[in-house]
Amino acid sequence: GQNIDQPTEMTATEGAIVQINCTYQTSGFNGLFWYQQHAGEAPTFLSYNVLDGLEEKGRFSSFLSRSKGYSYLLLKELQMKDSASYLCAVQNSNYQLIWGAGTKLIIKP
Amino acid sequence: DAMVIQNPRYQVTQFGKPVTLSCSQTLNHNVMYWYQQKSSQAPKLLFHYYDKDFNNEADTPDNFQSRRPNTSFCFLDIRSPGLGDAAMYLCATSRERGQGADTQYFGPGTRLTVL
Repeated sequence: GQNIDQPTEMTATEGAIVQINCTYQTSGFNGLFWYQQHAGEAPTFLSYNVLDGLEEKGRFSSFLSRSKGYSYLLLKELQMKDSASYLCAVQNSNYQLIWGAGTKLIIKP
Repeated sequence: DAMVIQNPRYQVTQFGKPVTLSCSQTLNHNVMYWYQQKSSQAPKLLFHYYDKDFNNEADTPDNFQSRRPNTSFCFLDIRSPGLGDAAMYLCATSRERGQGADTQYFGPGTRLTVL
């Protein structure tokens, strides 16, 4: 089967750095997406990785290792508004998007 | 400014009473998707349209139907809602399908309550 694994919940402190991990097993790979979803709202696109390495976008960075089936999302200088769920999704060889259940990030002052 | 619009944002229906959710987009994207998402779960793809070509997921119940009368609009019809159909319904669009970096853009969702 195909699956995406992410921690269910993480807690971090305002101003700190947090890394959210995602491991995947899919039938083929055509890219990995990270989305942010605030409670009761729709997911919003954060990043896309298809090649190995780190993609940096302001306070957010995303890393991919295809050989390990692994990605992480790194959030720096955490702000209270970063409290949300972070969903990892992988596009398989059929270009289907396989979604993880998301990691709920709680930011404490 | 809104690019993917869903109406209504909140919908209450009675058990067994048909309901229609709507989605419109100003992006002129070829692909439109409908997802069901329950609390703390991954979005579950119900079906998608590539232009006028309808693609149903194998495990989507027959109770769920969709229509796409034109590029901009797509509807989700739930013929006989059950209590288990209470969820957030998300509409998304992408420019193309099967092209690698085809980011999906989501509407705000419709939260369906079944009484």
